[in-house]
This record gives sequence, C-alpha cells and structure tokens, in this order.
Amino acid sequence: SAVISQKPSRDICQRGTSLTIQCQVDSQVTMMFWYRQQPGQSLTLIATANQGSEATYESGFVIDKFPISRPNLTFSTLTVSNMSPEDSSIYLCSVGTGQGVGEQFFGPGTRLTVL
Amino acid sequence: DAKTTQPTSMDCAEGRAANLPCNHSTISGNEYVYWYRQIHSQGPQYIIHGLKNNETNEMASLIITEDRKSSTLILPHATLRDTAVYYCIVRGTLNTGTASKLTFGTGTRLQVTL
Repeated sequence: SAVISQKPSRDICQRGTSLTIQCQVDSQVTMMFWYRQQPGQSLTLIATANQGSEATYESGFVIDKFPISRPNLTFSTLTVSNMSPEDSSIYLCSVGTGQGVGEQFFGPGTRLTVL
Repeated sequence: DAKTTQPTSMDCAEGRAANLPCNHSTISGNEYVYWYRQIHSQGPQYIIHGLKNNETNEMASLIITEDRKSSTLILPHATLRDTAVYYCIVRGTLNTGTASKLTFGTGTRLQVTL
C-alpha cells in the first residue's frame, strides 16, 4: 500500500485568499486524484492530476478555482483560489496504480475552514 | 459505472457479525465491486474488492450473488473501532485498461454498540 501525507492537515483562512495543499506519496504512482468532502457529505472527485500535463477536471470544477500541479510521480498540489465560506471542506488526495482495477489509497485529508 | 444502493444506517452489537448489503443491479460484466470505509475524521480506507467470486481478507468477507446484482460485506466480529461509513462502489476499466474513476455514494453508517 502507499503512504500518503498531506500538508497542512487543517487551516482556517480568510475569504478571498488562496490556500495550496500538498500531497506527498512514499512511492511512485501512476494516478493521483483530488477529492472534496463537504460537511456531512460524501466524497466528490475534483480532478485527476496528470504528470507533465494539465489536470482533468470533473464537471463543476474549473482550473481557475482549483489549479493543480503534478511535477513528478510522487507529489501534487491543489490550490483553492479566492476562497469563500462555501469552500469549507475536507480536501483529500488519493493515489492508484492505474493498472486494471487495483486499489486506490487516500491521504488523511486537509480540513479547510473559510471565514 | 453502475450505481449502487445501500441502507442509510445500521446498528450492530460488538462481537457480532455485521452484514452490510449493497444493490448494484446495473453492474456490467467487467465491473468490480469495491468496499471502502471512512472512520470519522480520516480518509477512506480500502477494505476489499471482488468480481464474481466471494473474497476474504484479514478485514472482511465479500459475498457476491450469482447474478452479481447485489453483494454483502461481512465484518465477522465487529468492534467499536469498526464504527464508520461504509461505501460500496462499482468500478470498471477504461478502454486503455486503466481503472475508471472511484465514485462515492452516500454509504451506510454502521454504529457498533456495546
């Protein structure tokens, strides 16, 4: 299994600011994903982070709001831009080998509160 | 990927088996059934997955009906630490052979009690 760490683990931010969340994996992985979990809700996929190219965003999520970087096979960042209280959520990084239907692992999440 | 239906919540006494059902009547032949759980304030944890045969690992057993339209996750001896939201997810592969997206439903909230 992959060990995934995220920084920060939690943050409280002011409206209108931006926060960059880091995701580090202890081994090279093919697939990296970013999810959002709003209070009391299930997980929603934001985007697939592609190494060396632009991320693939799901419906309802755009690059200007959630820019993503993936410079190599073990690291990715998600930025939440121009934050509003509606962005208060847990943001989770997830990784998978992409081979067949293998397992997908999740990081501990970043709990974001926007005031 | 096929949609799944799970009960909203279930209770189980500690030490007893917890049987969590899942309906996936539109599952197609190349789609697997996955189970994850999310303990409060943690990221989802992989439990088990299967295609058509029953599967068992150190955490749980997965029983898939012969027609594959439903499955049951069994925690043989539930403990308080098994209290979590359990997600049943159907997942296949893309034409490229890579795994399709993992799409979470609302899951079953399992409460294990003394």
